[in-house]
Amino acid sequence: DVKVTQSSRYLVKRTGEKVFLECVQDMDHENMFWYRQDPGLGLRLIYFSYDVKMKEKGDIPEGYSVSREKKERFSLILESASTNQTSMYLCASRTWSNQPQHFGDGTRLSIL
Amino acid sequence: QQQVKQSPQSLIVQKGGISIINCAYENTAFDYFPWYQQFPGKGPALLIAIRPDVSEKKEGRFTISFNKSAKQFSLHIMDSQPGDSATYFCAASIKNTDKLIFGTGTRLQVFP
Repeated sequence: DVKVTQSSRYLVKRTGEKVFLECVQDMDHENMFWYRQDPGLGLRLIYFSYDVKMKEKGDIPEGYSVSREKKERFSLILESASTNQTSMYLCASRTWSNQPQHFGDGTRLSIL
Repeated sequence: QQQVKQSPQSLIVQKGGISIINCAYENTAFDYFPWYQQFPGKGPALLIAIRPDVSEKKEGRFTISFNKSAKQFSLHIMDSQPGDSATYFCAASIKNTDKLIFGTGTRLQVFP
């Protein structure tokens, strides 16, 4: 079974902090994704990476950056956390286009 | 153009009944339409998917109906069970792209 592991289930940070969310997948998938999930808005794509050191902006990249130094690990960085970034963050991976995305169980991030 | 509109936002069904969730899109370049199921505290998981060259796909109690001319697709859950209670997301992507566009989600509750 594909395993996508997000390092924290719950995280509480303060406004202005630099925040790192980590995601690791164990299936040698090329593509990895970061989404945020908010009630009534569904899942919105923040960034994705189709290979090591490659990244593309999604629909809501403002205030975020990403890092993919190794194939199995994809990090989401909040450069200076703000309260409007309080959300559920989901990481996903897949082999290639139009193949199923496999999701982690999410990190619920609260910015105070 | 890039949106996928999903309805209803929430749905309450009695055990044994049929649950129907609808999605509509505008972009005719979409060519892959998956449905994801998400249980509380878990990430979404692929439930069933369809491509526009067929009008219906069935897997067990779950059926996708696809109407290409109307640019609509729907998920039918036959003989709904309390274990089906979850949030369901429709999605769409353009061929050979890396992005999935998600609907806003439907929270389904099935009562005994």
